Amino acid sequence: QSALTQPPSASGSPGQSVTISCTGTSSDVGGYNYVSWYQQHPGKAPKLMIYEVSKRPSGVPDRFSGSKSGNTASLTVSGLQAEDEADYYCSSYAGSNNFIFGTGTKVTVL
Amino acid sequence: QVQLQESGPGLVKPSETLSLTCTVSGGSVSSGSYYWSWIRQPPGKGLEWIGYIYYSGSTNYNPSLKSRVTISVDTSKNQFSLKLSSVTAADTAVYYCARGQLGEMATRYWGQGTLVTVSS
Repeated sequence: QSALTQPPSASGSPGQSVTISCTGTSSDVGGYNYVSWYQQHPGKAPKLMIYEVSKRPSGVPDRFSGSKSGNTASLTVSGLQAEDEADYYCSSYAGSNNFIFGTGTKVTVL
Repeated sequence: QVQLQESGPGLVKPSETLSLTCTVSGGSVSSGSYYWSWIRQPPGKGLEWIGYIYYSGSTNYNPSLKSRVTISVDTSKNQFSLKLSSVTAADTAVYYCARGQLGEMATRYWGQGTLVTVSS
């Protein structure tokens, strides 16, 4: 059970958009619509930003959106703001009551 | 608003057993709508799912850790616990307890995390 693959880093200027990919297999990302995304600021616990591929919990700005195509899920942050600078992790249900996380992406706001 | 708080030793010797407890407030571990998880993060690295338990006591563990992990629940104290045996330096990490939502298969509520260092 290997971690889902994410790019180590991504960046954008304030107001721009950044998209982070999360690549798995047909046994996890591609097999279920249970992909979630978490934001983690330094020294803090992760925060749920997206669940079930594209749903946002209440309180999460609509600047955050999720999608999936085949074995790859994506998180897009539109209208980047300084507070969006953080680490982002994807996660997927992997069958047999297991879960798997992505390798993580550090988003920098230039 | 549910809150979770990890507690336990911050230092464990190699080959010994790591034991942590998560105390839940503002919600009940007896609720059938949730699963109660342990997740860890080595310093400077990514998140790793350890396992979870339902209120019934049914458990599921990360296959890579399964031989060393035990998660249990104490409904009378509204707590759930983690035991990880035969620890090595590679088990040094921030350990989070968390609550997942059945049907969503996502974790909405997290504890603040507790650093456990494995060292002699």
